[in-house]
Amino acid sequence: EDQVTQSPEALRLQEGESSSLNCSYTVSGLRGLFWYRQDPGKGPEFLFTLYSAGEEKEKERLKATLTKKESFLHITAPKPEDSATYLCAVIHTGANSKLTFGKGITLSVRP
Amino acid sequence: DAGITQSPRHKVTETGTPVTLRCHQTENHRYMYWYRQDPGHGLRLIHYSYGVKDTDKGEVSDGYSVSRSKTEDFLLTLESATSSQTSVYFCATGTDNQPQHFGDGTRLSIL
Repeated sequence: EDQVTQSPEALRLQEGESSSLNCSYTVSGLRGLFWYRQDPGKGPEFLFTLYSAGEEKEKERLKATLTKKESFLHITAPKPEDSATYLCAVIHTGANSKLTFGKGITLSVRP
Repeated sequence: DAGITQSPRHKVTETGTPVTLRCHQTENHRYMYWYRQDPGHGLRLIHYSYGVKDTDKGEVSDGYSVSRSKTEDFLLTLESATSSQTSVYFCATGTDNQPQHFGDGTRLSIL
């Protein structure tokens, strides 16, 4: 059974204070790892897909990395508008496109 | 914008009544999913569909049924609602090798 654990549960940063969010996973035959952002009252919004260890993706102040056991979402010089819940999900081979999600990390960035 | 519309957006009903939630997509995606999101649990898959009239159970399917008679519509039915089914329900769509995209959710309260 696929398992995804995200840490910490909540993170409070000062504007400009860089940090990383962790996603640890256990899956038999990883086909892809996904990061989503979710704002209050909204559905998750897709950010990145990572397929293999060593892969990195960047978008503005966000950079996602992947190893064989975990993924990090690095946030460089965050702004208050980066405040949201960040979700990690995995899909394994043969899963018929079914995702397994972690519980999410709530990020608050203070001005 | 993946063109996903969920209806209703909010609903309050009583225990024991039937409830149907609708998900409509305009992207002609093959896969459609229903999730529920609860504090402390994250997103959990209820049912999914991999084609018209082709559906399968997710990890929390008890008490729910689904139907997909057209590519664009995926219905989630609670035959006899219980208070434990109070939640926020999200629909998502996807294709092979592409990330899932989500609607903005239906907030369902069962009194």
